[in-house]
Amino acid sequence: RKEVEQDPGPFNVPEGATVAFNCTYSNSASQSFFWYRQDCRKEPKLLMSVYSSGNEDGRFTAQLNRASQYISLLIRDSKLSDSATYLCVVNWVDSSYKLIFGSGTRLLVRP
Amino acid sequence: EPEVTQTPSHQVTQMGQEVILRCVPISNHLYFYWYRQILGQKVEFLVSFYNNEISEKSEIFDDQFSVERPDGSNFTLKIRSTKLEDSAMYFCASSEPGRSYGYTFGSGTRLTVV
Repeated sequence: RKEVEQDPGPFNVPEGATVAFNCTYSNSASQSFFWYRQDCRKEPKLLMSVYSSGNEDGRFTAQLNRASQYISLLIRDSKLSDSATYLCVVNWVDSSYKLIFGSGTRLLVRP
Repeated sequence: EPEVTQTPSHQVTQMGQEVILRCVPISNHLYFYWYRQILGQKVEFLVSFYNNEISEKSEIFDDQFSVERPDGSNFTLKIRSTKLEDSAMYFCASSEPGRSYGYTFGSGTRLTVV
């Protein structure tokens, strides 16, 4: 099983659509979870941390299911500017806060 | 907003040459990292650095790689004898103590080995 696994997409959606991304991770002892956004040939940028209780930041909602080792990201009312690759990222607990990245899910929002 | 600064943004080097990639982490951060991303592939961990020593390194980080924090502000990655397969984006990152914090990444150095 891959350490962090994501559907590569691309997800091609119209503006205003709601889109959901999923991610699974293999290390059950992981403690911290994040969604990063990466634009083409740019650095990853932290979008949001993911907490067990679920958390929301504007149009973005993240959920964590520790029992299933599953993380999700929901984007509501998609904007053209949301087009990017979304990276599921997990802290590897047996290390120096090393983060393990998924391969990313590409989102294309069309007019 | 505090930034992680990397230089140069792009470096072209001949195979077998040594390169040094430079980073200035955020000043109050204590953990420093190098990651790389080969074009079209995922971001991969290379090395973490804390308290002036390597705390962990990946299988990728072999004897040709080394890191240094020479002066308390800069954090460098040296590749001693570059290979074609070292061509990638190299990202420096730093973080505050505590696993709940995400990293701040620098904008990266694109290394092209010819």
